[in-house]
Amino acid sequence: EDQVTQSPEALRLQEGESSSLNCSYTVSGLRGLFWYRQDPGKGPEFLFTLYSAGEEKEKERLKATLTKKESFLHITAPKPEDSATYLCAVQARTGKLIFGQGTTLQVKP
Amino acid sequence: DAMVIQNPRYQVTQFGKPVTLSCSQTLNHNVMYWYQQKSSQAPKLLFHYYDKDFNNEADTPDNFQSRRPNTSFCFLDIRSPGLGDAAMYLCATSGELNTQPQHFGDGTRLSIL
Repeated sequence: EDQVTQSPEALRLQEGESSSLNCSYTVSGLRGLFWYRQDPGKGPEFLFTLYSAGEEKEKERLKATLTKKESFLHITAPKPEDSATYLCAVQARTGKLIFGQGTTLQVKP
Repeated sequence: DAMVIQNPRYQVTQFGKPVTLSCSQTLNHNVMYWYQQKSSQAPKLLFHYYDKDFNNEADTPDNFQSRRPNTSFCFLDIRSPGLGDAAMYLCATSGELNTQPQHFGDGTRLSIL
């Protein structure tokens, strides 16, 4: 069965304290892995797409990496405005997006 | 800016009273999706349209219907809302079904009295 598991569920960081979020997946025929950011009361905002193991993408303080079994979202020197829920989703052969439960990040000044 | 727009942002309805949620897009994407998201949960796909072709998820209740009169608009109809249907409803679009990212609107928060 296709499945996505994100850890940790919640993460509290001090401003400037770098860390990583994990997304483990099992899927038949991975078409792509997507990272989204979701602020309270808003829809998910697209961040990155990764297609193959070894691929990396960067945007400001965020860097996403992909292996055959998991993806990491690295946050370097986070700021309070990086506080949000980060969702990982994989696209299986069927085209359907399978979401993880998300990691809620809080960055304190 | 091209975007996905959902109206209204907040909707309150009575138990059993039909309600319609609206989504429009300026991205000219082929695919439009409807998701249900309950508090602290992942979005759950209800159905999608590829152009005019409707695809229902197996576990989507019959109470939920959808219409796509043209490329730009898609509607979610809840025929007889129950208390368990209170949630955020998200509309998303993508250019194609596979490999392309989905772009989401800001959702409609539905409350049931």
